[in-house]
Amino acid sequence: AQTVTQSQPEMSVQEAETVTLSCTYDTSESDYYLFWYKQPPSRQMILVIRQEAYKQQNATENRFSVNFQKAAKSFSLKISDSQLGDAAMYFCAYRSEGQGFSFIFGKGTRLLVKP
Amino acid sequence: SAVISQKPSRDICQRGTSLTIQCQVDSQVTMMFWYRQQPGQSLTLIATANQGSEATYESGFVIDKFPISRPNLTFSTLTVSNMSPEDSSIYLCSVEPRLASTNYGYTFGSGTRLTVV
Repeated sequence: AQTVTQSQPEMSVQEAETVTLSCTYDTSESDYYLFWYKQPPSRQMILVIRQEAYKQQNATENRFSVNFQKAAKSFSLKISDSQLGDAAMYFCAYRSEGQGFSFIFGKGTRLLVKP
Repeated sequence: SAVISQKPSRDICQRGTSLTIQCQVDSQVTMMFWYRQQPGQSLTLIATANQGSEATYESGFVIDKFPISRPNLTFSTLTVSNMSPEDSSIYLCSVEPRLASTNYGYTFGSGTRLTVV
């Protein structure tokens, strides 16, 4: 069975600085997807970024980028130029390729942004 | 991406009663997923609902406690039955796009915050 581990319960960053959130996973599958979701106090799950396992190039979405190391089964999220609105819970998630598969979530990392 | 309307957004219920949560999607979807998020915890899958068939429940969740309906390709309900304070959680639905090629992150409903007193 697949597992997702986020070892940082909480992280803090100064506004405009850069922070990296860690995620490791375990799987025997070769094809899968990895995601970072953001959950602000509103409870809404917001997709931040996704990565296909078959792609060697790291995904980037504006200020958000990932460092995907498939052999090491590592998938970290880097937030550049942090903003107050980035403060939220961040969940790393795994999904098998194909239809009918749900997410497997990590325990989450709470990100605090200091003004 | 699909847009999901989830209702109610929150409720406070008496123990022993039941609450039905609804998710309405603005487009046809294949799979709908129901998650529970206990206070301060991550999301745990309750069940997968496929239109026209019985929902598939994860270990630790049973149909008598969490009956699910999926009458069509745009709608599903989750009922939390005979509630106890341990059922106090956020419940979220999520959908899988109908097109297999749309491998984006799945859309989530806005969540239902349930408090059982």
